[in-house]
Amino acid sequence: NAGVMQNPRHLVRRRGQEARLRCSPMKGHSHVYWYRQLPEEGLKFMVYLQKENIIDESGMPKERFSAEFPKEGPSILRIQQVVRGDSAAYFCASSPRRQGSTDTQYFGPGTRLTVL
Amino acid sequence: SQKIEQNSEALNIQEGKTATLTCNYTNYSPAYLQWYRQDPGRGPVFLLLIRENEKEKRKERLKVTFDTTLKQSLFHITASQPADSATYLCALDAGGTSYGKLTFGQGTILTVHP
Repeated sequence: NAGVMQNPRHLVRRRGQEARLRCSPMKGHSHVYWYRQLPEEGLKFMVYLQKENIIDESGMPKERFSAEFPKEGPSILRIQQVVRGDSAAYFCASSPRRQGSTDTQYFGPGTRLTVL
Repeated sequence: SQKIEQNSEALNIQEGKTATLTCNYTNYSPAYLQWYRQDPGRGPVFLLLIRENEKEKRKERLKVTFDTTLKQSLFHITASQPADSATYLCALDAGGTSYGKLTFGQGTILTVHP
């Protein structure tokens, strides 16, 4: 059973360009979470999605950032007009449909975004 | 404001000893507390989950305690090995409408010396 996959693993963009980060959850998982890890900082929640629905986007910056998890295909985190402060590691996690109220999240290897 | 603190940025111990890491939180009523391991350049790996009504959980050489009165979790690695060297993260899940949204501590870097 393949784990959570993210691509690309490394992404370099110039200021003002767009960054698209992809996440394929584990097979059978219908919940996807995106986190950002800035240098020397902890993981910060960004957004929680189920198929075709955004459940919680309270950690997402209001401008330039968007996320989707379509019925078919991977989840996409999109950053428009990137700035240097967007340079970070972006991690995706997935979890299975809940039984009761437990929710272990399985993380991907991350995408390291560098904005020049 | 809500706050999660892990006791120290770095912890150095000798092989064979028990490593004890601390996670304290304030202004939080977590439904679950989880511990993850993160190696450099990689994503976090889930280790243990403990519920608010559980006092202790064990898995092989790992043990987690959860004291909701003290608002603290302790994470123990017994008979530590150099391969246990990594960053360890605690994460809270408040449950309810915030369910699934994990809030992480800043991590403790554990180094086990041979």
